[in-house]
Amino acid sequence: DADVTQTPRNRITKTGKRIMLECSQTKGHDRMYWYRQDPGLGLRLIYYSFDVKDINKGEISDGYSVSRQAQAKFSLSLESAIPNQTALYFCATSDSVGTENLSYGYTFGSGTRLTVV
Amino acid sequence: AQKITQTQPGMFVQEKEAVTLDCTYDTSDPSYGLFWYKQPSSGEMIFLIYQGSYDQQNATEGRYSLNFQKARKSANLVISASQLGDSAMYFCAMRGRGGRGSTLGRLYFGRGTQLTVWP
Repeated sequence: DADVTQTPRNRITKTGKRIMLECSQTKGHDRMYWYRQDPGLGLRLIYYSFDVKDINKGEISDGYSVSRQAQAKFSLSLESAIPNQTALYFCATSDSVGTENLSYGYTFGSGTRLTVV
Repeated sequence: AQKITQTQPGMFVQEKEAVTLDCTYDTSDPSYGLFWYKQPSSGEMIFLIYQGSYDQQNATEGRYSLNFQKARKSANLVISASQLGDSAMYFCAMRGRGGRGSTLGRLYFGRGTQLTVWP
């Protein structure tokens, strides 16, 4: 099984529908992130969570919400999907950074391709 | 604020040749790490190489090396002996050692460079 699992892998939904993307991890990492990728724009941060009770907005949080149900689970919701939310969505995890080694990068999920029609 | 700039939207290289993908960065953190990721057409993000800001030597991982020039704030990826399987999107990323209210330890990504290797 993958260390970070995203479901679904692909999803087509209609404008105005509520949709949830799920992410679960077996890394035991405390930090979890949701990014979206658009062609030519790289990866942009939507939300991040340092632990179950600590959730923060990223640069592009409008139109999204998240839930950290447990240390291992972090879900992203689109309350009312719109076509410009069509993108590739990534969940990622990392260990805490403090005095720890900066070389700790992210562990990525395989991504969810979301199309809003 | 952290910023990563990749100025090459697309690059082409012939098989077996070397190619350099450019990355410049901006940060006020005194200590930071630089990463390169590969994203093939299947979409997954694959970690390639890491360079710490205080590392004395440039990082190398097989055919990948990182040309780190701290004074210029550049961290270019060099792929030697390109292979057809190297065709992919490549992302440069950076994280700092900040805590809350600063860089928060998150990764900042550039916009990516699409590399095409031709026979």
